[in-house]
Amino acid sequence: DAMVIQNPRYQVTQFGKPVTLSCSQTLNHNVMYWYQQKSSQAPKLLFHYYDKDFNNEADTPDNFQSRRPNTSFCFLDIRSPGLGDAAMYLCATSIRTGNYEQYFGPGTRLTVT
Amino acid sequence: GENVEQHPSTLSVQEGDSAVIKCTYSDSASNYFPWYKQELGKRPQLIIDIRSNVGEKKDQRIAVTLNKTAKHFSLHITETQPEDSAVYFCASPGTASKLTFGTGTRLQVTL
Repeated sequence: DAMVIQNPRYQVTQFGKPVTLSCSQTLNHNVMYWYQQKSSQAPKLLFHYYDKDFNNEADTPDNFQSRRPNTSFCFLDIRSPGLGDAAMYLCATSIRTGNYEQYFGPGTRLTVT
Repeated sequence: GENVEQHPSTLSVQEGDSAVIKCTYSDSASNYFPWYKQELGKRPQLIIDIRSNVGEKKDQRIAVTLNKTAKHFSLHITETQPEDSAVYFCASPGTASKLTFGTGTRLQVTL
């Protein structure tokens, strides 16, 4: 089945220790998104790629970076995690941006100790 | 940018009753309105969406209505069941390349 896969599902890191989350898709979608979701809140868009074009949200901290080496994979790098970065990180894909369904991965729950 | 407001923030209904969740949006050019359901600890999943060329869309017990003049759209769930308990998010892209989500509604269906 075509799907969006995220690894790992649970990640524990220490304060200030870099961490990388990964997302892969078999849907062959052009767009890949990274969202941060904290408890009881809506997903908050961090950035997205349309093919190789990177689009950063204005309020995304510099601490968050992303890479998309090919169509199928996208990575979220948190350079120096703080306690406030503990959250669920959701990857999503869509054929195009805007008026198209987004397909979400299962998420990675990040804990910062 | 697009601004989406969602009400209520929590909703408790008895099994078998109907539930209605309402959203308003600000960008009159917006023409796509999805609804996502998120169960505890799981991913958001699209349950229904509507485009601006129709005023209503149904899928079994779920329906969405759209009023473009008033810039609001609503999710209707009939004959609610315990498995409908979840957080529901509306969304709208406006003219942007991204979705703006509402703040979410926690629906609790009690026996």
